[in-house]
Amino acid sequence: QEQLVESGGGLVKPGESLRLSCVGSSFTFSNYYMSWVRQAPGKGLEWVSYISPTSGFTRYADSVEGRFSITRDNAAKSLYLQMNSLRAEDTAVYYCAREECGDTHCSTSYGMDVWGRGTTVTVSS
Amino acid sequence: SYELTQPPSVSVSPGQTANISCSGDKLGEKFTSWYQQKPGQSPVLVIYQDKKRPSGITERFSGSSSGKTATLTIGGTQAMDEADYYCQAWDRSTAVFGGGTRLTVL
Repeated sequence: QEQLVESGGGLVKPGESLRLSCVGSSFTFSNYYMSWVRQAPGKGLEWVSYISPTSGFTRYADSVEGRFSITRDNAAKSLYLQMNSLRAEDTAVYYCAREECGDTHCSTSYGMDVWGRGTTVTVSS
Repeated sequence: SYELTQPPSVSVSPGQTANISCSGDKLGEKFTSWYQQKPGQSPVLVIYQDKKRPSGITERFSGSSSGKTATLTIGGTQAMDEADYYCQAWDRSTAVFGGGTRLTVL
């Protein structure tokens, strides 16, 4: 069964850092674009970042640009999100999701068809 | 930045058809995906590329898109369809989600 499993969440203070991980199984990880999507308590989904299959292309939401960094290790079937200078508003469940895109800009996206269960990040003093 | 607008809530009687709209500038020129999320669960893709259903998604779910609006239609709505629904599209290499619509089956 195709699966994504996130880890690395926790409670941190404002200004601190955290690194999230996401491991894929039962599918060819290197074929897919990968995204991080978050959901603040009681709120909707917010896209955070994505990375192309070969790591050549990354993009970030304005809310995290310059603070977060997305990377991947295809040999380890793993996706990462390095989160620096964390703020209270970064508190959320963070999901990783895979997506098949026909082009770098995902204008021909096939949708985010596999999601992990999420890992919770709480930023509080 | 690009925005997608959904109604906060939609109510439907069991067995009836539910329509959930999603509007955005020139949305009909982009591909829209739809996700279902039940409380405490991860989102599930129910429609991609405006109207295509992933494997395993019931035929009761369908989608359309034209102009500024994409629509998710749920036919013969059942209690199990009660959930939050999100539309999503890509704009300039950025994924955008709508604010979500809570579907209530009365």
